[in-house]
Amino acid sequence: AQSVAQPEDQVNVAEGNPLTVKCTYSVSGNPYLFWYVQYPNRGLQFLLKYITGDNLVKGSYGFEAEFNKSQTSFHLKKPSALVSDSALYFCAVRGPPSLDSGAGSYQLTFGKGTKLSVIP
Amino acid sequence: DGGITQSPKYLFRKEGQNVTLSCEQNLNHDAMYWYRQDPGQGLRLIYYSQIVNDFQKGDIAEGYSVSREKKESFPLTVTSAQKNPTAFYLCASSMGVRGPYEQYFGPGTRLTVT
Repeated sequence: AQSVAQPEDQVNVAEGNPLTVKCTYSVSGNPYLFWYVQYPNRGLQFLLKYITGDNLVKGSYGFEAEFNKSQTSFHLKKPSALVSDSALYFCAVRGPPSLDSGAGSYQLTFGKGTKLSVIP
Repeated sequence: DGGITQSPKYLFRKEGQNVTLSCEQNLNHDAMYWYRQDPGQGLRLIYYSQIVNDFQKGDIAEGYSVSREKKESFPLTVTSAQKNPTAFYLCASSMGVRGPYEQYFGPGTRLTVT
């Protein structure tokens, strides 16, 4: 079974400082990893994904994430936080499809979310 | 939230009533999904559909039903059998289910059952 852990319920960072939102995962095989952001009472917006290749993935709004296979982590980062980055961030994982996989292997598994607060 | 609409934004129902949540997409995506979001629990998959006239149960399908008669539409019915239906419901779509496709989400429907 695949799983995702976001160890911090909340992260506070001062505006202009670098930010990191942590994510670790467990999955069989090579993972597909995603980050999404959610503003209050809204749907999720896709930020970036890792499929294969370069371990540093760049995404929307200046965010990037670093895939670390040995640590099974996919932390989200931004060099300089903005107040407008304050939101709920979700990490998600799924394993690669295989011919004999059941329907459940197509599911994305989401973490419980990390609330990011950027303080002016 | 582009390309996916959910209606209504807020919905109030009495216990014992079935209620249907609408989801429409104009992204020409084959796959569509329904998630339930509760505070502090992330997103949990209710149902998904790979193609028209096909759908599969997710982790928490009990008390819910879906249909996929058109590519653009994937309505979710919350039945009276769902023990705790008050939640925020999110619909999503993607190009397919097998590849590493990101999902695009609608704005959500907040259902309150009293």
